[in-house]
Amino acid sequence: EAGVTQSPTHLIKTRGQQATLRCSPISGHTSVYWYQQALGLGLQFLLWYDEGEERNRGNFPPRFSGRQFPNYSSELNVNALELEDSALYLCASSLVYGSANTGELFFGEGSRLTVL
Amino acid sequence: GDSVTQMEGPVTLSEEAFLTINCTYTATGYPSLFWYVQYPGEGLQLLLKATKADDKGSNKGFEATYRKETTSFHLEKGSVQVSDSAVYFCALSVPGANSKLTFGKGITLSVRP
Repeated sequence: EAGVTQSPTHLIKTRGQQATLRCSPISGHTSVYWYQQALGLGLQFLLWYDEGEERNRGNFPPRFSGRQFPNYSSELNVNALELEDSALYLCASSLVYGSANTGELFFGEGSRLTVL
Repeated sequence: GDSVTQMEGPVTLSEEAFLTINCTYTATGYPSLFWYVQYPGEGLQLLLKATKADDKGSNKGFEATYRKETTSFHLEKGSVQVSDSAVYFCALSVPGANSKLTFGKGITLSVRP
């Protein structure tokens, strides 16, 4: 069974540009979570989608947005890129609504965004 | 707000050494506690968890006990192997907090033969 897949693996952008990252959850999983892993800061919660709806959002500016498609895949968009947006962006999926409360999240390998 | 504090790293040990990775937390409610591990080139995966005070989570020889009185969830292993080299993250989730895992900064463990 395929795990959580993310694309692209690496992305290089310049300040002010937009970045789009994609995530395909494990088949049958309806919840998708996005985290930012910046150097020295650990994993910071960005967004949680379930059944196409945004369920929770972390403490990030509005230029971080996303959506979930009918097939449960998800997209993270970062507009007006800033240097400090350089990080590894991790996607995770889960089968059950609210599974983060039980820790049952399955992570992809991440997309590394570099902003020059 | 909720937060997790992990000891500073990286940590380098010889094979068969004893491992302790400290983790303390601050939470507004009664959290569940987790350890995640990230092996080189792989995504994070759940290593073990505990959902109430004095519970002990265990997996692959690793153990951690939920200590409410000291707000801690330290990870231990009696004899580490080279294959345990990875990044370890402590995390918490508070029921009702819109299903969010809060992670610590992670610590890199390197085990040499």
